[in-house]
Amino acid sequence: KAGVTQTPRYLIKTRGQQVTLSCSPISGHRSVSWYQQTPGQGLQFLFEYFSETQRNKGNFPGRFSGRQFSNSRSEMNVSTLELGDSALYLCASRVRGETYNEQFFGPGTRLTVL
Amino acid sequence: QQQVKQSPQSLIVQKGGISIINCAYENTAFDYFPWYQQFPGKGPALLIAIRPDVSEKKEGRFTISFNKSAKQFSLHIMDSQPGDSATYFCAAAISGYALNFGKGTSLLVTP
Repeated sequence: KAGVTQTPRYLIKTRGQQVTLSCSPISGHRSVSWYQQTPGQGLQFLFEYFSETQRNKGNFPGRFSGRQFSNSRSEMNVSTLELGDSALYLCASRVRGETYNEQFFGPGTRLTVL
Repeated sequence: QQQVKQSPQSLIVQKGGISIINCAYENTAFDYFPWYQQFPGKGPALLIAIRPDVSEKKEGRFTISFNKSAKQFSLHIMDSQPGDSATYFCAAAISGYALNFGKGTSLLVTP
């Protein structure tokens, strides 16, 4: 079974631009979560989608948004990029939304903001 | 603020030794405590997880010890191998909500 895939793997943008990252969950998984990973703050939760609805949201500004499609694929968007948005963005999927179901992480998208 | 505190930040262990990583939490509502392993260029992968109704869980060379009264839990890696060299993250969650991660421990196992 294919794992979680994220595209693109690497991205370079400049301040003020916007970016869209894509995540394809494992087949049959309906929950998709996004995390931001930085050396200083570690792994921080952005949001979770389940059956096209946002279930949970972390403490990030409104510039960070996401959505989930009917096939469970998810996108996250960051508008008006800031230097501090440079990070590894990880997507994780699980079968359902219950916490005890194992989350499977993708390899991440490395975003660099210049 | 960081809801899960992890230590040490880095750890060097000789092959065959025991690696111990500790985590502490404040929120007594947490009821799920997983450990993740991350290799460079990869996303984190679940290693082992525990719920607060047990004090210890073992899977192969990996053991979680859980102390509910102290609000602490730890990962023990027995007979550490060079292939275990990676970054380890503890996490905690309330059922149905997101994982709160510790800041990670970089483990190096020397031959």
